[in-house]
Amino acid sequence: QVQLIESGGGLVKPGGSLRLSCAASGFTFSDHYMSWIRQAPGKGLEWVSYISVTGSAMYYADSVKGRFTISRDNAKNSLYLQMNSLRAEDTAVYYCVRESYYDGSGYFSDSWGQGTRITVSS
Amino acid sequence: EIVLTQSPTTLSLSPGERATLSCRASQSVNTYLAWYQQKPGQAPRLLIYDASKRATGIPARFSGSASGTDFTLTISSLEPEDFALYYCQHRVKWPFTFGGGTKVEIK
Repeated sequence: QVQLIESGGGLVKPGGSLRLSCAASGFTFSDHYMSWIRQAPGKGLEWVSYISVTGSAMYYADSVKGRFTISRDNAKNSLYLQMNSLRAEDTAVYYCVRESYYDGSGYFSDSWGQGTRITVSS
Repeated sequence: EIVLTQSPTTLSLSPGERATLSCRASQSVNTYLAWYQQKPGQAPRLLIYDASKRATGIPARFSGSASGTDFTLTISSLEPEDFALYYCQHRVKWPFTFGGGTKVEIK
């Protein structure tokens, strides 16, 4: 079955860096767009970043542009998020999400990891 | 950026009742809209995609509909496990966004 396992979360000081990883299994990773979506404590969902199957196209929320970098390694079935210059407002659970193409309907986020928690605090 | 406005914020109903959740888009998203269910401590789960198509394994009591920029998620008869948070999401163009959510709680 589809598994997305995030790692790399933790406590970091403002201005610090973290690298999140997501290990994918149970499907052909290289066939899927992938996303990072986050949820601040007690808040709603925010799309952070989105990457194409080859990694040639990447999209970022304005709130993280210039600070976060999404990447993938299809040989390792892995997705990454390099987070620099972290701020208190980046505190959230970060989900690794698989995007699937539904014929005639477009791409939708159909599988989610359990998330990894990032806390940015001094 | 397309804004999705969900209403109501909270819906208090009893098991067996019908739930009607609304999501309004600030501009056209065609039918590139999905609904997700999230329970406490869990990741969201895809319920409906393309505005009205049920995802794999989703019970028939969940249905979605669209009228212009207004979208509706209907749960025909609430089961105990349906009390949760529900989000709509568009993906017509970047940035993709979510609505603020509707909490369906037990009355």
